Amino acid sequence: GDSVTQMEGPVTLSEEAFLTINCTYTATGYPSLFWYVQYPGEGLQLLLKATKADDKGSNKGFEATYRKETTSFHLEKGSVQVSDSAVYFCALSGNNFNKFYFGSGTKLNVKP
Amino acid sequence: EAQVTQNPRYLITVTGKKLTVTCSQNMNHEYMSWYRQDPGLGLRQIYYSMNVEVTDKGDVPEGYKVSRKEKRNFPLILESPSPNQTSLYFCASSPGQGNQPQHFGDGTRLSIL
Repeated sequence: GDSVTQMEGPVTLSEEAFLTINCTYTATGYPSLFWYVQYPGEGLQLLLKATKADDKGSNKGFEATYRKETTSFHLEKGSVQVSDSAVYFCALSGNNFNKFYFGSGTKLNVKP
Repeated sequence: EAQVTQNPRYLITVTGKKLTVTCSQNMNHEYMSWYRQDPGLGLRQIYYSMNVEVTDKGDVPEGYKVSRKEKRNFPLILESPSPNQTSLYFCASSPGQGNQPQHFGDGTRLSIL
C-alpha cells in the first residue's frame, strides 16, 4: 500500500544553516505530495505541495521537488531561522484521492 | 476567519464511557477527515467524508464511528473507549477531494484511563 518514510529527528541546526529533510514514498500511479508544518500546540499547516513529477513546490524559502525516478520529495531551505523550529510532516494522497498518508514527522530545532 | 474548530481540546475519561469529539468548519468544504497522531507514527487517518452522508474508512477505523449529517460538522464518536485510543486527534477539511491541501483544527488530546 501507499506509505511515506521520512528521516528521523530531531534535527538541530544553527541559525542560517542549510536544511534538508529527506522524504521518500511508495505509491502506485501519480500521487500528490505535500509538506506540512506543526508548531507547538497547533494543528498542521500546509507548507508546500506538488502534484506531478518534476514539479517544485515552494513557500517561505522552503522548496521540495517531486522526483518520480527516486520516489522522493526532500524538503530544503537555504538559511533556517529560529522561527522555523517545528515538526515537519511529509504526506501523500494517492490513487484514492480521499486517503492521506503521513510520515512520522521530523522535529527541527534551530539555535540562535 | 476561516477555521476548523474541535471540542473539547482536552479530555480525560475512563474506559467504556462513550464520548464524542465535535468538529466544525466554516469554509463550506466538502471533504472532512479525522486523524490520530501518535509518537513515532505520524498522523494516521481514521475516517473521511466526501460530502453529507458519504463517509469511508481510513487506515485505523476500529473503535471509532463518524457521521456527516450537515456539511459543516463531522463528529468523531468513541462508543466504548479503551486506553489504546489515548492520543492526539485532529480534524481537517478541504474544498474538494483529499488531494487538495487540508485545513487542520488545533487538536483534541484524549486520555482514556
